[in-house]
Amino acid sequence: GNSVTQMEGPVTLSEEAFLTINCTYTATGYPSLFWYVQYPGEGLQLLLKATKADDKGSNKGFEATYRKETTSFHLEKGSVQVSDSAVYFCALTLMIKAAGNKLTFGGGTRVLVKP
Amino acid sequence: DGGITQSPKYLFRKEGQNVTLSCEQNLNHDAMYWYRQDPGQGLRLIYYSQIVNDFQKGDIAEGYSVSREKKESFPLTVTSAQKNPTAFYLCASRRLAGSADTQYFGPGTRLTVL
Repeated sequence: GNSVTQMEGPVTLSEEAFLTINCTYTATGYPSLFWYVQYPGEGLQLLLKATKADDKGSNKGFEATYRKETTSFHLEKGSVQVSDSAVYFCALTLMIKAAGNKLTFGGGTRVLVKP
Repeated sequence: DGGITQSPKYLFRKEGQNVTLSCEQNLNHDAMYWYRQDPGQGLRLIYYSQIVNDFQKGDIAEGYSVSREKKESFPLTVTSAQKNPTAFYLCASRRLAGSADTQYFGPGTRLTVL
């Protein structure tokens, strides 16, 4: 079946540090890949996505590249801020209508940025 | 503003009671989804619907029921048969046409069973 594995947290950083959150996946087919962010007490917001190999998604200083050869979609940010403290979820979907085009999520990685 | 609304934000229920969580979207999205999130865990799919008057079970449908009488609404009922209902519930929706693969989420409802 399909699955997403991401590094366990919490990840604690100082402001302006470099952030990497590893995400690897297994899928039967060619999935679209996503990073969602969840701030405390809120729903999930789409952070970025990539739909095919070698695509780079980017938003708000975050980047992730779809690496088919390593089945990875690692999230990076060069200089984090306190406001980046949140839980980050890696997810995939295969565009299969019969399966509802559902998202498969990783377990989430909590990031805490200290001033 | 277009978006997904969920109500209430916090919900308390006594054991043995059914409770219904609301989800409304004005994005004209075709598909809607319900997920459950437990502390420190990822999201698990409860039910989904790709068209009005039709819905499918997800990975953890036992103890839950849904209806899809209108395109914009997808309420979830947590029944007394759900053994451990305390969780954060998230509704999502998605456009079906073209390569619309992105799901958009509501703000969530936190259900606590007393």
